[in-house]
Amino acid sequence: EAQVTQNPRYLITVTGKKLTVTCSQNMNHEYMSWYRQDPGLGLRQIYYSMNVEVTDKGDVPEGYKVSRKEKRNFPLILESPSPNQTSLYFCASSPLGSLTDTQYFGPGTRLTVL
Amino acid sequence: GQQVMQIPQYQHVQEGEDFTTYCNSSTTLSNIQWYKQRPGGHPVFLIQLVKSGEVKKQKRLTFQFGEAKKNSSLHITATQTTDVGTYFCAGLGGGGADGLTFGKGTHLIIQP
Repeated sequence: EAQVTQNPRYLITVTGKKLTVTCSQNMNHEYMSWYRQDPGLGLRQIYYSMNVEVTDKGDVPEGYKVSRKEKRNFPLILESPSPNQTSLYFCASSPLGSLTDTQYFGPGTRLTVL
Repeated sequence: GQQVMQIPQYQHVQEGEDFTTYCNSSTTLSNIQWYKQRPGGHPVFLIQLVKSGEVKKQKRLTFQFGEAKKNSSLHITATQTTDVGTYFCAGLGGGGADGLTFGKGTHLIIQP
């Protein structure tokens, strides 16, 4: 089954404790992206990647890191989480033709930073 | 940077009434996509519009892309309870160089 998976689905942590949210897709998509969703603010792009070893900042990259060492995985790293990073996070992927195509979203990771 | 404004933020309708949500971009877009997110779920792709003035239909849903490729709308005819959710537009900047920018979404609430 074609899908985007994220782990963990739920996470409660404390300020300053490094964490990684994994994202994996089995559709051989070139494009992958991370979003955060907050009430009243909609979906905001954190980072995106057009292909392996190619990453770019989205609208809200501060406090986050990503890596794209292989096509299927695009982990989101919070080196020193803070309470303002409490949010619902979505990973997404899509094939990349001449224009960005349909994005397939993962189920989401709800992160709480105390 | 590119901004995509979406209105209204909330829309309450009686079941059977029509619903429309609008998106406006501060810059010309390469394309615009529409997504639906059910309560507690993740965004699900509905459609992509690429051409100036394009109109696409999916059953009771009609999507339009403006002539200047800076605005778009989604219209639902005769809403049903299954239409409940948040509808997002997402624009890709000109040249395809920027990431996708989402509108804040329109929450559709349907009263039976």
